[in-house]
Amino acid sequence: ETGVTQTPRHLVMGMTNKKSLKCEQHLGHNAMYWYKQSAKKPLELMFVYNFKEQTENNSVPSRFSPECPNSSHLFLHLHTLQPEDSALYLCASSQQAGGPSYEQYFGPGTRLTVT
Amino acid sequence: DAKTTQPPSMDCAEGRAANLPCNHSTISGNEYVYWYRQIHSQGPQYIIHGLKNNETNEMASLIITEDRKSSTLILPHATLRDTAVYYCIVRVAASYDKVIFGPGTSLSVIP
Repeated sequence: ETGVTQTPRHLVMGMTNKKSLKCEQHLGHNAMYWYKQSAKKPLELMFVYNFKEQTENNSVPSRFSPECPNSSHLFLHLHTLQPEDSALYLCASSQQAGGPSYEQYFGPGTRLTVT
Repeated sequence: DAKTTQPPSMDCAEGRAANLPCNHSTISGNEYVYWYRQIHSQGPQYIIHGLKNNETNEMASLIITEDRKSSTLILPHATLRDTAVYYCIVRVAASYDKVIFGPGTSLSVIP
C-alpha cells in the first residue's frame, strides 16, 4: 500500500465514450503526475501538477484532459480515444515538484482497453 | 532520453544476491540515482536512491562508483517475489520532479 489509490483498476471503453480516471493520494504531497505505460514500452510522463497548477504537458493529445481540483486528487478525462491508447495509466505523487531527492509514490494503475 | 543504460534481462538463483548494474556516464553533479521496480501489471515501487555515498535500506543496497558514472543495486537474498523489471533512473535536474523511465532490466529469480 503506497498511499496512492486509483479507480477504476480496469476500464473497457469504446472510441466514442467519455470516461474519467481518478487518483487520490493520502500522503500530504503537493505534486501529482500521470504516466502512460504501453505494452513492452517504458513509462511515459504525461502531465505534472504542482500545488494544483499544471506545470508540464508532455505533448499529450487533447483527447486526454487532466484535472487537479486539489493537491490530493487528480483526474484524467478521456474522450474519443483510439485503440492505441490502450495502456496502463499510472498516477504518482511526490512531496513537491522540484528540489532535492523527492521520491515519487505510484498508484496501482488503471488498465485501459479501448475497443 | 533516459540517460541510463541497463542490461535488458538477468537471472538470479533464489536466495542468492542479485546485482543489477546501471551506467549513467553523463550524470550531472546535482543529479541523484534512483531505483524503482515494477512487478507485472502493478505501479512502479520506489526502492532506493543516492547521490554519491553508498546507501542501504530494508529492501536493497545501492553502490555508486566514485566517479558516479555507474551504480549497482544489490538485493542481498533474492526471492521469487523480487521477479520484476528494475529501473535505474537519473533524476532530471530541472524545475520539476520529472522521472524518465528507460526500458529497465527484467530480473527473473529462479527457484
